[in-house]
Amino acid sequence: DTGVSQDPRHKITKRGQNVTFRCDPISEHNRLYWYRQTLGQGPEFLTYFQNEAQLEKSRLLSDRFSAERPKGSFSTLEIQRTEQGDSAMYLCASSNSIIGRLVSNYGYTFGSGTRLTVV
Amino acid sequence: GQQVMQIPQYQHVQEGEDFTTYCNSSTTLSNIQWYKQRPGGHPVFLIQLVKSGEVKKQKRLTFQFGEAKKNSSLHITATQTTDVGTYFCAKGGRNTGFQKLVFGTGTRLLVSP
Repeated sequence: DTGVSQDPRHKITKRGQNVTFRCDPISEHNRLYWYRQTLGQGPEFLTYFQNEAQLEKSRLLSDRFSAERPKGSFSTLEIQRTEQGDSAMYLCASSNSIIGRLVSNYGYTFGSGTRLTVV
Repeated sequence: GQQVMQIPQYQHVQEGEDFTTYCNSSTTLSNIQWYKQRPGGHPVFLIQLVKSGEVKKQKRLTFQFGEAKKNSSLHITATQTTDVGTYFCAKGGRNTGFQKLVFGTGTRLLVSP
């Protein structure tokens, strides 16, 4: 297990179509995050899971977006009825939850992302 | 919102010059992380700061967390072309378990040989 894998790397779709992205996190990580990044901006939080539970969802995420992590392992992010404004890089990251400890080398491991272009 | 501001947005230096990016928050930060994103790449974790006034070094990189825990900085000594990329600070949740990170606006660094 060498890191976080995302599939596909690139997706071009027509407006109105549905798309689904997959993320395979680092196997021992219990937390999985989805972020969206547009050109020149920092990653924006979309949602995160601890194991199979979706614990938080951004207000940025419209009803057209849904994410699942059915067995606490891989996750999927689906966008229904895509719009041109959905064009972005969708990043997945994973981490371990550590409560009550101060860890100096603890952070997210990001995947390479899925670049979505809606035409 | 809870956006974390970074300055400058962009800096172009000659190889060998120093570089500093600053991260500022209007609210007290429980912790802060720094990431580097190469052009066309994804963010890569550099370090986490938790304690007030903390200073950490990684080779030519020096990270500081302000005494009031409202700001942080990343300083690169004697930049190299491999330092090119965008540097993001990100503030974590209330616990060190990091429910989610809110990323700053980023500072893009260009280094000319």
